[in-house]
Amino acid sequence: EVVLTQSPATLSLSPGERATLSCRASQSVSSYLAWYQQKPGQAPRLLIYDASKRATGIPARFSGSGSGTDFTLTISNLEPEDFAVYYCQQRGNWPPYTFGQGTKVEIK
Amino acid sequence: EVQLVDSGGALVQPGGSLRLSCAASGFTFTSYWMNWVRQAPGKGLEWVANMGQDGNERYVDSVKGRFTISRDNAKNSLYLQMNSLRAEDTAVYYCARGNLAGAGIFDYWGQGTLVTVSS
Repeated sequence: EVVLTQSPATLSLSPGERATLSCRASQSVSSYLAWYQQKPGQAPRLLIYDASKRATGIPARFSGSGSGTDFTLTISNLEPEDFAVYYCQQRGNWPPYTFGQGTKVEIK
Repeated sequence: EVQLVDSGGALVQPGGSLRLSCAASGFTFTSYWMNWVRQAPGKGLEWVANMGQDGNERYVDSVKGRFTISRDNAKNSLYLQMNSLRAEDTAVYYCARGNLAGAGIFDYWGQGTLVTVSS
């Protein structure tokens, strides 16, 4: 099973700042990595798939990069609605699909 | 508009059974893999099971032999039969659609249904 480790656990930033979230896989998942955003009481929302492809309707301030074992989600200019928990997820080696433990982006 | 509506969650005793349902609309259900993903209270996400268009099914090890995923293409519905429930199965269960670019890309999600396993 592929273990995904996200860092940091919590990121404290102000609106307008840049957020950089990391996800490291225990073995290569090629480019088969996705990022999801989850707000309290809501279902997750797909942001990025295949490491760098934005999902339908996702703003350009969200971008993804990486391949193999190291991946990054960047939010270039934090908007108030971007404060949430972010999960990475791999489909490169399955079953099972696995998720990281999440990074919380909170208002500083 | 794609919609997934989860239902069937309840309070159940350890060892008990429950059947979850997911009603899909707004897309051609038969063309997609469908998944169940769960989230224990205050915890992260865990993929549970999925089923392909042809009935091919996969499970996470912790539910194998206890949970069964199924689908009724005539009713555009996905199900999860959960038997021998344990306290650690307590979670919000989400139905999620697998994207056509890859079954493991969860592009639409239901609102979730809460399963609580407790005596």
